Amino acid sequence: KNEVEQSPQNLTAQEGEFITINCSYSVGISALHWLQQHPGGGIVSLFMLSSGKKKHGRLIATINIQEKHSSLHITASHPRDSAVYICAVSSWDSNYQLIWGAGTKLIIKP
Amino acid sequence: NAGVTQTPKFQVLKTGQSMTLQCAQDMNHNSMYWYRQDPGMGLRLIYYSASEGTTDKGEVPNGYNVSRLNKREFSLRLESAAPSQTSVYFCASRLGKLAGGSEQYFGPGTRLTVT
Repeated sequence: KNEVEQSPQNLTAQEGEFITINCSYSVGISALHWLQQHPGGGIVSLFMLSSGKKKHGRLIATINIQEKHSSLHITASHPRDSAVYICAVSSWDSNYQLIWGAGTKLIIKP
Repeated sequence: NAGVTQTPKFQVLKTGQSMTLQCAQDMNHNSMYWYRQDPGMGLRLIYYSASEGTTDKGEVPNGYNVSRLNKREFSLRLESAAPSQTSVYFCASRLGKLAGGSEQYFGPGTRLTVT
């Protein structure tokens, strides 16, 4: 069983829909990261969080430490949001490295 | 600031050839990383350097060597390239030494094909 699991693996939605991507992990963590990989390949860090909720524009990330679960939400989705969204955690046992999820491929249709 | 830069962007090698992938960051970051990403797969850590002067193996180090030349630069060397090393290689850096302390910044990637 992977230590970081994302769902769904693939998600196709219509423009304007509210999007939720989930990440569950099985290790004790110091922080959880959400990243975005564009179709061209570039990888950008979206959020790093260890508790509560963070918001940036139309993106919202939440984390529940007790349940070992995080969600990434996109409001008013747009075709330019189409990308792979990756969850990664830094565990207490592996302080220098991130444990990566497999990614969720999101396609937003106009 | 240029952020994290990588050279070259594309490279084709024949089996057995050697090459060095270069990475530099201008953000005064302490930690630097080399990842590979195979088609349809997630990122896998090859080597990392938590601080200048130190390097450590990641998940898939076989067939690679690294050098942390100074605080800015972290190079990845393939001594004898194999078709299994065909991949996209990403360099990344972060301010802190610990993975939970700060965000990771990525270079644009190097697309390597070994024939």
